Amino acid sequence: AQSVAQPEDQVNVAEGNPLTVKCTYSVSGNPYLFWYVQYPNRGLQFLLKYITGDNLVKGSYGFEAEFNKSQTSFHLKKPSALVSDSALYFCAVRGLGGNKLTFGTGTQLKVEL
Amino acid sequence: EAQVTQNPRYLITVTGKKLTVTCSQNMNHEYMSWYRQDPGLGLRQIYYSMNVEVTDKGDVPEGYKVSRKEKRNFPLILESPSPNQTSLYFCASSLDRGDNSPLHFGNGTRLTVT
Repeated sequence: AQSVAQPEDQVNVAEGNPLTVKCTYSVSGNPYLFWYVQYPNRGLQFLLKYITGDNLVKGSYGFEAEFNKSQTSFHLKKPSALVSDSALYFCAVRGLGGNKLTFGTGTQLKVEL
Repeated sequence: EAQVTQNPRYLITVTGKKLTVTCSQNMNHEYMSWYRQDPGLGLRQIYYSMNVEVTDKGDVPEGYKVSRKEKRNFPLILESPSPNQTSLYFCASSLDRGDNSPLHFGNGTRLTVT
């Protein structure tokens, strides 16, 4: 069975500092990996995805994520955090050829002045 | 505007009273899915549909029904709601089953069953 782990319920960072939101996964075969963001009272919005190719994936709003096959990780990063980045972030994985997208439990990012 | 529309946004009901949450997308997407979001559990898939008249169970299908008679609509039906179905529900769609296509989510339906 495939799974996603987001080990931190909450991440706090000061505005202007780099941020990292961690994600590790377990899946049979090659993974398709996604990050979504959820703002209050809204549905999830797609940020970025890894399908194949370059291990560093760039997405919306200046976010990027690094795929590490040996560590089965797909951490979300941003060089300089903004207060407006404060939201709930979800990592998700699908196995090649699979119909099911499995989400992590989410990480609340809080960026403070 | 391309969107997934869910109704209602908020719903309070009593145990056993049948209800339907509607979901409609205007992007001609083939794949649609329902999730529930609960604190500490993330999003769990209830049902999904690969195309019209094709539906399959997700991780937590018990107590729910769906139908896909038209491509744009994918209603979620609770025949006899119970308090453990109190949750935040999201409908989502994608161009295909989603290997490369990101999901587009509705804004959610917060259901309370008393």
